[in-house]
Amino acid sequence: AQSVSQHNHHVILSEAASLELGCNYSYGGTVNLFWYVQYPGQHLQLLLKYFSGDPLVKGIKGFEAEFIKSKFSFNLRKPSVQWSDTAEYFCAVSGYNKLIFGAGTRLAVHP
Amino acid sequence: GAVVSQHPSWVICKSGTSVKIECRSLDFQATTMFWYRQFPKQSLMLMATSNEGSKATYEQGVEKDKFLINHASLTLSTLTVTSAHPEDSSFYICSASPGGVGNQPQHFGDGTRLSIL
Repeated sequence: AQSVSQHNHHVILSEAASLELGCNYSYGGTVNLFWYVQYPGQHLQLLLKYFSGDPLVKGIKGFEAEFIKSKFSFNLRKPSVQWSDTAEYFCAVSGYNKLIFGAGTRLAVHP
Repeated sequence: GAVVSQHPSWVICKSGTSVKIECRSLDFQATTMFWYRQFPKQSLMLMATSNEGSKATYEQGVEKDKFLINHASLTLSTLTVTSAHPEDSSFYICSASPGGVGNQPQHFGDGTRLSIL
């Protein structure tokens, strides 16, 4: 069965700190991988996605993620976070035409 | 572009009543729409996949008779929670896909907070 595991439930950082959020998945077939973000009071928005090709994917707002097939991982990174990055981040994997979400990571960035 | 509108955003009703939630794709046609449920401090759980003109596909453990889904057009899907009870209180989110590989990416509505008294 498909599953997605996000290692960090809560992350607290100061502005300008670097960010890495872990995501591991379990799925036997070809996967499409996503990171979604949910800002306070807003709907889910797509940050970036991986379908194929270059395993280093760049998304919006300076985020990037690296697909490492051998580790079944798709970690999200940002070199320098801002207060406006405070949000909840969800990793998701799609297979059989549906999305499976991880539990989410709440990021709080302090000025 | 790719806006999904969900209505209502918040509903409070008495136990035993039925509640209908609408999900509309405003600027694209959505062959497939998805309904999720999100419990507090938990992730989104897929409830069902709604296909235009055909019966919805429900995930294991989701009661079909409890959560009625209708996808009558390429821009509208509805979720009706029948005879709602307090345990049905939750945050319901829909998403829609214009198609493509694996129906991705999906575009999400703002969600509906359902509170059953």
